[in-house]
Amino acid sequence: DGGITQSPKYLFRKEGQNVTLSCEQNLNHDAMYWYRQDPGQGLRLIYYSQIVNDFQKGDIAEGYSVSREKKESFPLTVTSAQKNPTAFYLCASSAKKQAAYEQYFGPGTRLTVT
Amino acid sequence: KNEVEQSPQNLTAQEGEFITINCSYSVGISALHWLQQHPGGGIVSLFMLSSGKKKHGRLIATINIQEKHSSLHITASHPRDSAVYICAGYGGSQGNLIFGKGTKLSVKP
Repeated sequence: DGGITQSPKYLFRKEGQNVTLSCEQNLNHDAMYWYRQDPGQGLRLIYYSQIVNDFQKGDIAEGYSVSREKKESFPLTVTSAQKNPTAFYLCASSAKKQAAYEQYFGPGTRLTVT
Repeated sequence: KNEVEQSPQNLTAQEGEFITINCSYSVGISALHWLQQHPGGGIVSLFMLSSGKKKHGRLIATINIQEKHSSLHITASHPRDSAVYICAGYGGSQGNLIFGKGTKLSVKP
């Protein structure tokens, strides 16, 4: 089955620690995205990548970092510089980063930092 | 500023009712997506449209380009339709999806 996997589903960390969220897709999509969802707010774009070894900041990139060494993988690191890291994180992919292409979402990772 | 506004924020319906969720968007947004998010958090794409109307089973999505408005209709609603429905417009300075805050639908048996 083709799709997007994110792991783990729930993640707990202490304040001051960096944490990396995994995102893998086997859809052969060029574009991948990371979104953050907070209660009562719409999804907000953290980073996106249109091709291997290239990525761009989204609207709320501060305190986050990404890499795209392989087409299938787009891990997100939440650094200690992120002031409010507790949130639900969603990874998505699309064939291309254009309006005509549907985005497919992973199941999400709920991160709690205390 | 490119924005996507949804209404209502919350909606409770009885099983069998016809449901409408509305989405208005600003200049600069082209294609519109309707997404469904279940309580576990996973998101499924329902429709992607830039004109006219699309239908899939009991779901119908329409868009009026001139009025910058889209609607999602659910006919013969069922408790399994209970979810958050999200409208997202494709646009902005970087050509990214801009999301509405979602409409939480609860269908009672």
